[in-house]
Amino acid sequence: GNSVTQMEGPVTLSEEAFLTINCTYTATGYPSLFWYVQYPGEGLQLLLKATKADDKGSNKGFEATYRKETTSFHLEKGSVQVSDSAVYFCALSDRNNAGNMLTFGGGTRLMVKP
Amino acid sequence: GAVVSQHPSRVICKSGTSVKIECRSLDFQATTMFWYRQFPKQSLMLMATSNEGSKATYEQGVEKDKFLINHASLTLSTLTVTSAHPEDSSFYICSARVTRRTERMEGYTFGSGTRLTVV
Repeated sequence: GNSVTQMEGPVTLSEEAFLTINCTYTATGYPSLFWYVQYPGEGLQLLLKATKADDKGSNKGFEATYRKETTSFHLEKGSVQVSDSAVYFCALSDRNNAGNMLTFGGGTRLMVKP
Repeated sequence: GAVVSQHPSRVICKSGTSVKIECRSLDFQATTMFWYRQFPKQSLMLMATSNEGSKATYEQGVEKDKFLINHASLTLSTLTVTSAHPEDSSFYICSARVTRRTERMEGYTFGSGTRLTVV
């Protein structure tokens, strides 16, 4: 079956620090990969995505590259801000899965201090 | 585009009552809607998948009679928590799969979530 593994949080950083949140996956087919962000008290928002190997998704200064050889999709940002404090979820959608539902990682809470 | 409107955002109900959560796709047809549940400080758990005009498919361990899902139209799916109890208190989120063939895009759009508190 499909699975997504994220580094456990919380991750606490100072403002302007470099961020990496690791994500690795297991899938039977050719998944699309996503990062979602959940701000306090809100629902999920799509942050970025990549649909095939070597694609790089980017948005709001965040980046993640689809690495098929290492089955990874690590999230990075060069300089975090306090407003980036949220929970980040890595997810995959397997095209060979008829249901096409998302499989989520456990989420990583990021706390950025001023 | 591809917005899902979820209501209510927050609801407090008494134990034993039922609560209905609605998710509407505003500018697209959602043939498939997913319902997730999120416990505090935990990840999302898929509860069920609903397809327009047919019965929902529930994940193992999810009580069908307790969490009633109706997907009667291409723009509306509802989740009813029947005879709610305090352990049903959670954050419920719906999601629809969006496919735009002309752009070969695939994505999922989420409702804003409903925080249910059963007292």
